[in-house]
Order: sequence, then C-alpha cells, then structure tokens
Amino acid sequence: GNSVTQMEGPVTLSEEAFLTINCTYTATGYPSLFWYVQYPGEGLQLLLKATKADDKGSNKGFEATYRKETTSFHLEKGSVQVSDSAVYFCALSDGGATNKLIFGTGTLLAVQP
Amino acid sequence: DSGVTQTPKHLITATGQRVTLRCSPRSGDLSVYWYQQSLDQGLQFLIQYYNGEERAKGNILERFSAQQFPDLHSELNLSSLELGDSALYFCASSVTRESNSPLHFGNGTRLTVT
Repeated sequence: GNSVTQMEGPVTLSEEAFLTINCTYTATGYPSLFWYVQYPGEGLQLLLKATKADDKGSNKGFEATYRKETTSFHLEKGSVQVSDSAVYFCALSDGGATNKLIFGTGTLLAVQP
Repeated sequence: DSGVTQTPKHLITATGQRVTLRCSPRSGDLSVYWYQQSLDQGLQFLIQYYNGEERAKGNILERFSAQQFPDLHSELNLSSLELGDSALYFCASSVTRESNSPLHFGNGTRLTVT
C-alpha cells in the first residue's frame, strides 16, 4: 500500500542554519504530496503542496520539489528561525474518489537562538 | 485559526465508558475526516465523510463509529474504551473530496482513558 517515510528526529539547529528534512514515498499512480506543520498544542497546518512531478511547493521560506524519479519530497529552508520550531509531517494523498492523507511519522525541529 | 472547531478540548474517562467527540468543519467545506494521533502509531486515518455519506474507512475499530449530519458537523463515537484508546483525535475538513484539496485541521480533542 501507499506509505510515507520521514527522517527521524529530533533535528536541532541553530538560528539561521540550513534545514533539510527528508521524505520519501511509496505509491501507485501519481499522488499529491504535502508538508504539514504542527505547533505545540495546535492542529496541523498545511505548509506547502505539490500535485505533479517536478512541481515545487513553497511557503514562508520553505520549499519542496516533487521528485518522481527518486520518489522524494524533501523539505528545505535556507535560514531557520526559532519560530520554526515545530513538528513537520510529510503526507501523500492517495487520490481516487477520496482525499485521504497518509502521513509520515513526523520530525520534531528545535531551533536554538 | 483553521476554522475547524472541535469539542471538547480534553476528555478524561474510565475504561469501558463511551464518549462522543464533536467537529464543526470550516464554513463551506463538505468533507470531514477523523484522525487519531498517538505516540506509538503516529497519525492514523480513521474515516472520511462527504456531504453526509461515508467515503473512506481507515484503521477504525469496530468499537468506534462516526456520522456526518445534514448541517455537516460530525461526531466520532468511541465505546467500550480501553487504555490504548488514549490519544489526540483530530478532525479535518476540505472543500471537496479531490486529492489535491488541502485539509484544514482542528486543534484536536485529547482523550485520556484511566
């Protein structure tokens, strides 16, 4: 079945460091790919998405490119801030007649001043 | 604020009991989803409704049931509760059921079974 694999956390970085969180997927067909972010005590918020191969999703300085050849959707940011500290989830939508999202396990990012 | 409202925020109950979690979707959203988040299982999809009809079922136990009402709010019923049911339960909504329609999540209901 469809699945998402994320790099294990926690990831601890200093402010202004470069961030990469790896995400790979297994899916039949052409799923849409998403990154969601969860701040403490809150629900998940959509960070960015890509719906087809080679699409780049971007938002708030974060970027991810849909790579069909490597089945990856790695999240990157050039310079992280303390306010970026949160749990990041990679997800795919398995399409068809539903919009069910399959999530990775989440990666905790802690940014230190 | 996502526009999705979940009540209650916290629920503490005993094993064997039954509880009902409530979700009001964002205005205009027809599709509602329920997810369970726990430390050992991560985020697990439970069930999806679209305009009152069940559309997809995930890892939902037979002790659990859900429905979506004509006003589009949804309820998740959990019965014969066990300690392992302790988790954060999220509701999400989207405009359509199409695969690139983003989900908007509520802040969740934290269920503790003692």
